[in-house]
Amino acid sequence: EVQLVESGGGLVQPGGSLRLSCAASGFSFSTYAMHWVRQAPGKGLEYVSAISTNGGSTSYANSVKGRFTISRDNSKNTLYLQMGSLRGEDMAVYYCARSRNDALDVWGQGTMVTVSS
Amino acid sequence: QSALTQPASVSGSPGQSITISCTGTSSDVGGYNYVSWYQQHPGKAPKLMIYDVSNRPSGVSNRLSGSKSGNTASLTISGLQAEDEADYYCRSYTNSSTYVFGTGTKVTVL
Repeated sequence: EVQLVESGGGLVQPGGSLRLSCAASGFSFSTYAMHWVRQAPGKGLEYVSAISTNGGSTSYANSVKGRFTISRDNSKNTLYLQMGSLRGEDMAVYYCARSRNDALDVWGQGTMVTVSS
Repeated sequence: QSALTQPASVSGSPGQSITISCTGTSSDVGGYNYVSWYQQHPGKAPKLMIYDVSNRPSGVSNRLSGSKSGNTASLTISGLQAEDEADYYCRSYTNSSTYVFGTGTKVTVL
């Protein structure tokens, strides 16, 4: 079964850091670009970041550029999102998703990040 | 990058057809055929419904169709059913080599 499972969410203070992980299974992880998408409570979907198959190319939304870093370990079939200098507006459910035909065809169940003192 | 503009809500009776618009600019929707649509039920992860403007992934109902004209993409749901009640988001590639989602549309089946 094709599956993505996020982990690492939780409560963090403003200014703090957190690393999210996304474990992939059931498909050849190294052959797909991967994305992070977030959704603040009661709000819409927001593109966060994307990474190419070998990790050599990355992109970020302006809202997280310079604070978040996307990476992947193809030997572990795992995608990461290192988040720093967290703000209240970063509070959201974070989804990882597989990119195919420039669309996101497989999504994880999401992990909640709460930023609060 | 501003979110693509979608109507906040669209409603229809069972069996009717509805259309959701997604308006961007020539830097995103109008410039590329990389528009996709996602359905999201409450508390669930989004699900891909349409990719590359008008293509349906395997398993998605043929009651859904997508199109694009200029800077506006559209998703049409025909033969509306209770299970179609959900939030719908469009998404487009942009000339900044990033992606942008639409503001989201809540579909209500009356």
